[in-house]
Amino acid sequence: VQLVESGGGLVQPGGSLRLSCAASGFTFNTYWMYWVRQAPGKGLEWVSHINGEGSFSTYADSVKGRFTVSRDNAKNTLYLQMNSLSVEDTAVYYCARDIMGADVVVVPAFWGQGALVTVSS
Amino acid sequence: IVVTQSPATLSVSPGERATLSCRASQSISSNLAWYQQKPGQAPRLLIYAASTRATGIPARFSGSGSGTEFTLTISSLQSEDFAVYYCLQYNNWPPDYTFGQGTKLEIK
Repeated sequence: VQLVESGGGLVQPGGSLRLSCAASGFTFNTYWMYWVRQAPGKGLEWVSHINGEGSFSTYADSVKGRFTVSRDNAKNTLYLQMNSLSVEDTAVYYCARDIMGADVVVVPAFWGQGALVTVSS
Repeated sequence: IVVTQSPATLSVSPGERATLSCRASQSISSNLAWYQQKPGQAPRLLIYAASTRATGIPARFSGSGSGTEFTLTISSLQSEDFAVYYCLQYNNWPPDYTFGQGTKLEIK
């Protein structure tokens, strides 16, 4: 299992950014996928998750209405579109795969190394 | 659901037992996982469903509890076990995932 995030960087408050997570080593379309973030020096915060088909997703209240998770199963890639960013969104963003296959949702088990998003003027 | 971990920091000598606690503000059945995170690394899943070890996790790690009170026990601490540990409560419907604030396990 390999997950590689990309797309992080510096963005101004109010701006947008799209993260990508390239997956390999497993049958991508049969697993729930997650985004989890970690602000500098802080704990972990679940952001969003999406089912294998891409037809169902949920969000933390802190990002609802601003972030959109999606996936392209033909490209084995997970995305997180982030709009209306604020300084509070500064964090390392991890993508993760569920422990179970067969489109069963449990918990994130395999994690990428993360992408740093810095929101600052 | 609020998840509270205790203590915030735990100092233990190598070879000794470490006991970390996680409390949920309401019953979550056995929907609890434990993660280990070392500096500069992604979290690593240790335990899910309160007591099931993830693949490849050494037997010295064990989880217990149900309802609102949960415990992660490391039976004999190795040098590589000193890290931050997070618990995660998960409710699949309606979807709700909440991490605890973490317990830092440090060498005494």
